[in-house]
Amino acid sequence: DIQMTQSPSSLSASVGDRVTITCRASQSVNNYLNWYQQKPGKAPKVLIYAASSLQSGVPSRFSGSGSGTDFTLSISNLQPEDFATYYCQQSYSTPRTFGQGTEVEIK
Amino acid sequence: EVQLVESGGDLVQPGGSLRLSCAASGFSFSSYWIAWVRQAPGEGLEWVANINQDGSEKNYVDPVKGRFTVSRDNAKSSLYLQMNNLRADDTAFYYCARDRFKAVAGARPYHYMDVWGRGTTVTVSS
Repeated sequence: DIQMTQSPSSLSASVGDRVTITCRASQSVNNYLNWYQQKPGKAPKVLIYAASSLQSGVPSRFSGSGSGTDFTLSISNLQPEDFATYYCQQSYSTPRTFGQGTEVEIK
Repeated sequence: EVQLVESGGDLVQPGGSLRLSCAASGFSFSSYWIAWVRQAPGEGLEWVANINQDGSEKNYVDPVKGRFTVSRDNAKSSLYLQMNNLRADDTAFYYCARDRFKAVAGARPYHYMDVWGRGTTVTVSS
């Protein structure tokens, strides 16, 4: 199985900051990489698929990049509603493993 | 409205069985892969299984292979997860999710989960 490792596990940021979360795969997943946002008590929501494609309806302050084994999710101009936990997921092969999550907290 | 609604979660003893259901509405259910994802209390997301449009292809994560079976009834727009020989570490919130795919010429399609249910709770405890 492909292992996905996110860093950091948590971070503190202020409204208006730019935040970057990284995700590393244990082997190449090409660009078969998705990012999800989950708020407490809610189901996850897809933000980015195919490493850099923005899902319809997701604000343009979210962006993704990377290929192979190393990926990043960036959030520019952090908004109050962006404080949540973010997960990467590879869709290159089954099982479609997730990273352990990165919690973005208010500083 | 595009919607997925899970049901069937319960408290069950170790070694017991449970069948989860996921009812879809608002979209052409038979056109989509569907997945199950779980989340243990206070933990991250774990992809559990998925099934293709006609049920001919199913994939599972190793810890549930041989114990869980995913199936679907397209006539009823419903997905199921039969869980047998349940263990304490199966305790989690279980989500069903529409597993959307985008075809890519000459390459495998992109899969991502774009619609999620609210989930149902499974607790395995004596």
